[in-house]
Amino acid sequence: LAKTTQPISMDSYEGQEVNITCSHNNIATNDYITWYQQFPSQGPRFIIQGYKTKVTNEVASLFIPADRKSSTLSLPRVSLSDTAVYYCLVGDDSNYQLIWGAGTKLIIKP
Amino acid sequence: DAGVTQSPTHLIKTRGQQVTLRCSPKSGHDTVSWYQQALGQGPQFIFQYYEEEERQRGNFPDRFSGHQFPNYSSELNVNALLLGDSALYLCASSLQTYEQYFGPGTRLTVT
Repeated sequence: LAKTTQPISMDSYEGQEVNITCSHNNIATNDYITWYQQFPSQGPRFIIQGYKTKVTNEVASLFIPADRKSSTLSLPRVSLSDTAVYYCLVGDDSNYQLIWGAGTKLIIKP
Repeated sequence: DAGVTQSPTHLIKTRGQQVTLRCSPKSGHDTVSWYQQALGQGPQFIFQYYEEEERQRGNFPDRFSGHQFPNYSSELNVNALLLGDSALYLCASSLQTYEQYFGPGTRLTVT
């Protein structure tokens, strides 16, 4: 199973673009990369998922280089409400849910 | 359209007791997964149910068991509670995809 490595915490300011990088050196051919957001005392919320290159939705972008050994979640123009823990998961449909790291605690300052 | 619901919200039990947590999946979802989340940690996968059978299981002892009903709702049972079982228990539903929808969780405290 591919393990992921993320920074434990990050700080940024309102209006800035925030990039959180996840390392997954042992990613397998069939593995997808999925990011979740979690606020205190709530369940995680799906943000975005990708396999290669770039994926964009209404809340974030996901950049995946050709070797797929890392990925970067990009949050444009963050606000205070983006303060949360962000989790990067890697796996295929049979195993991706087995490994959740501690995530990245993102703190947005005014 | 109701999302994933869990009951109860909070629960206090004594060591050695048994507990049952309940989960109703998002409408149209047929797969339910359970997670344990200790304070400051990421969720730990307990098991997943699909078509009323346990399809996958994480590294949890047999004290943790579950069930899925024909309407796709699910229960998590924990026997012989230990202090270390105190955590937030999360239920997530999905349609066999990576996009899981999580409930608000049940906060279990074992004293």
